[in-house]
Amino acid sequence: GENVEQHPSTLSVQEGDSAVIKCTYSDSASNYFPWYKQELGKRPQLIIDIRSNVGEKKDQRIAVTLNKTAKHFSLHITETQPEDSAVYFCAASKSFQKLVFGTGTRLLVSP
Amino acid sequence: DADVTQTPRNRITKTGKRIMLECSQTKGHDRMYWYRQDPGLGLRLIYYSFDVKDINKGEISDGYSVSRQAQAKFSLSLESAIPNQTALYFCATSDPREEETQYFGPGTRLLVL
Repeated sequence: GENVEQHPSTLSVQEGDSAVIKCTYSDSASNYFPWYKQELGKRPQLIIDIRSNVGEKKDQRIAVTLNKTAKHFSLHITETQPEDSAVYFCAASKSFQKLVFGTGTRLLVSP
Repeated sequence: DADVTQTPRNRITKTGKRIMLECSQTKGHDRMYWYRQDPGLGLRLIYYSFDVKDINKGEISDGYSVSRQAQAKFSLSLESAIPNQTALYFCATSDPREEETQYFGPGTRLLVL
């Protein structure tokens, strides 16, 4: 079955810096890659997703890139702000099947 | 507002006790999921249901059982709780007719003594 690895487990940046979180997946048939954000004490919420027919997707300060050949995808956050502090989870699945999540990255943005 | 709710929000129980966690949703979604979250281990799928008559094991189903009582209700049971089942449990829903987004409930924090 699918296995998703996520790095780093913790990431500390200064406000205004960029942050990058990387994930690798094992099943070449996976074609849907979402990212969820979980603020402290809250439920996970989808922030962005990408499908395998697209190499990059942007939404304001966040972007996701996908390298199908290498089977890895990354979340990029630019101009980080304190409210970006949270745990971020990547996931992978075949379309409309169950998600397999990574182990999470705790991002801390210091003012 | 259409939402996903979980009861109880917090629960302390003793080893060997049977406990049920409940999930209800008003989103009208067919698909429902149970995950557990542990520090450093992320979100791991326990069971999932793609419709009322469909129940599937996830990656860590041992020690758990589920019941899909209706489209809107999906319950998770621990038949005989053990301390390593102490975790944060999330229910989630999705509707493939619309999108692949999973909508999570607020979570149930369970402590097994």
